[in-house]
Amino acid sequence: NAGVTQTPKFQVLKTGQSMTLQCAQDMNHNSMYWYRQDPGMGLRLIYYSASEGTTDKGEVPNGYNVSRLNKREFSLRLESAAPSQTSVYFCASTHGTGYGYTFGSGTRLTVV
Amino acid sequence: EDQVTQSPEALRLQEGESSSLNCSYTVSGLRGLFWYRQDPGKGPEFLFTLYSAGEEKEKERLKATLTKKESFLHITAPKPEDSATYLCAVQAARVESSRGSTLGRLYFGRGTQLTVWP
Repeated sequence: NAGVTQTPKFQVLKTGQSMTLQCAQDMNHNSMYWYRQDPGMGLRLIYYSASEGTTDKGEVPNGYNVSRLNKREFSLRLESAAPSQTSVYFCASTHGTGYGYTFGSGTRLTVV
Repeated sequence: EDQVTQSPEALRLQEGESSSLNCSYTVSGLRGLFWYRQDPGKGPEFLFTLYSAGEEKEKERLKATLTKKESFLHITAPKPEDSATYLCAVQAARVESSRGSTLGRLYFGRGTQLTVWP
């Protein structure tokens, strides 16, 4: 039972480069989320998808785009990376309201 | 604006020394309060969900309680393997705004870093 799988686990980008963070869940969950975690800031929501075919902005969406490719997969794209996007990124999924989230193991991104 | 505040930021306990972590919240219509454990270099791991004031849940040495304004995570006779960061999150009733719907979204506190030494 893999749960939520994120790739890659580590990445170093130069300012201005682009990349896509991948997330897949095998629990048949409806909702998926992308968070970033920074020291002293806690987890902040970037984008989420309440169900297949829908996406919405969270607290800190600027500089990011997302795609809910199907029910299993939810990707996060950085079009032009900036040093301020250096962070740990977590993908999470849930059946819906009232259920706990299952998190992936994270992607550690450094933008230089 | 919904807020979740956790205290203390850091807590050091000797093995066997019981204590409590606090999570205070202000939301418009609580749908659920969640506790997570996060180990270094890993994603948060779900522990408990509490839905209404007066509710309690237990798992091994951990017990979570909920009032209308706060939740406590009580740790009884902790062991070094209980060392981790404990996160609290709240889920509010649907709020529609220019920023979109909040239904289903969790708002996280900054966590309490617990260290248990032998």
